[in-house]
Amino acid sequence: SQQGEEDPQALSIQEGENATMNCSYKTSINNLQWYRQNSGRGLVHLILIRSNEREKHSGRLRVTLDTSKKSSSLLITASRAADTASYFCATDPDLGSGTYKYIFGTGTRLKVLA
Amino acid sequence: GAGVSQSPRYKVAKRGQDVALRCDPISGHVSLFWYQQALGQGPEFLTYFQNEAQLDKSGLPSDRFFAERPEGSVSTLKIQRTQQEDSAVYLCASSLALGTSGRAGEQFFGPGTRLTVL
Repeated sequence: SQQGEEDPQALSIQEGENATMNCSYKTSINNLQWYRQNSGRGLVHLILIRSNEREKHSGRLRVTLDTSKKSSSLLITASRAADTASYFCATDPDLGSGTYKYIFGTGTRLKVLA
Repeated sequence: GAGVSQSPRYKVAKRGQDVALRCDPISGHVSLFWYQQALGQGPEFLTYFQNEAQLDKSGLPSDRFFAERPEGSVSTLKIQRTQQEDSAVYLCASSLALGTSGRAGEQFFGPGTRLTVL
């Protein structure tokens, strides 16, 4: 498969707890993005982190990137029931690859219990 | 403003039929992507357009798949002689003009077309 890998595949937490999901990829990248997909709906962009950045924050979201390990993590703090969704990382290859192929991970299904 | 729209939202085809899936990107977006998403999986890249030019079609699974964007706006993904393994959700995404990195940034996705081949 051309997809990146995410873990855990599924995560169930109580409202108010933090949720952490991880993404590993195989090739060198330009950017890494995280998307959310609610059941039966389209994907929504959450945050983009560039290859020269190590950490980025947006509201309750915190993303880290370790290019030496080819991995990223997404932390959602103080989770809410509305955060229940599937979360995907997506990488775009660097300029030298000559391709425009974005590679999505297999996703983490998060369930936040009220 | 209006987001990315796709039509039809659902399509049922008999094996061997041809289908055409339409994508209306956000006005002014240069980049347009097509993805295939199987149940329980992440989207898989099919093809990329920059305006009317198809710059990457490396993800198209076979020569039965064809995409076009003749005027640099609306795009159509056509699947000929559909097979059961073509059953999936087909997602379209658009993005603003390329940044200084030479790559598109945030992608705006449509709701998808769910294709079922019987």
